Amino acid sequence: EVQLVESGGGLVQPGGSLRLSCAASGFTFSTYVMNWVRQAPGKGLEWVSSITSSGGNIFSAASVRGRFTISRDNVKNSLFLHMDSLRDEDTAVYYCARTDTSGIDYWGQGTLVTVSS
Amino acid sequence: QSVLTQPPSASGTPGQRVTISCSGGSSNIGKNSLNWYQQLPGTAPKLLMYSYNQRPSGVPDRFSGSKSGTSASLAISGLQSEDEADYYCAVWDDSLNGRVFGGGTKLTVL
Repeated sequence: EVQLVESGGGLVQPGGSLRLSCAASGFTFSTYVMNWVRQAPGKGLEWVSSITSSGGNIFSAASVRGRFTISRDNVKNSLFLHMDSLRDEDTAVYYCARTDTSGIDYWGQGTLVTVSS
Repeated sequence: QSVLTQPPSASGTPGQRVTISCSGGSSNIGKNSLNWYQQLPGTAPKLLMYSYNQRPSGVPDRFSGSKSGTSASLAISGLQSEDEADYYCAVWDDSLNGRVFGGGTKLTVL
């Protein structure tokens, strides 16, 4: 069974940093593109960043480019999102998600990041 | 404004058929595979349809999908109360080099 479990969310002040983690199990992690997708309170889904299976290619939304960095550890079956210079508008539930040939197929349960002073 | 345009709301009575549209462009729907997601209140999104019209295992055949040019549609027939949820379309956009989501459609079963 595919499982994606996020952790690392919490309350952070504007301008601060946070690192999210996603532990993957139930599939061969090293062969899949992985993603972070977020959802602000009461709003829709917003793609944040994707990383190819080897980690060799990274794609990020303009809204987070230069501030957020996606990475992965294929030995530990883990995905990460390092977030710097956090803003109020980054407040959201952050989902870890797997991509197969047709798009995102599995989602984690999400971790809440709140940016507030 | 989302790159993919969905109606913000839709509604129907039990047993009815409802359709949700997703309008895009040549760099996304016109080129790449589109998925639909269902998000029940307070839960993570779940894959409902992939490659426009393919149902994952466990999704009832009441759900169907289609594509026409740079638009896609999700149809739900025999509407049930448990179908009340938010529905999102999503596809890779070659111009933006990123994945784009529709703004979401809130389906209400009256």
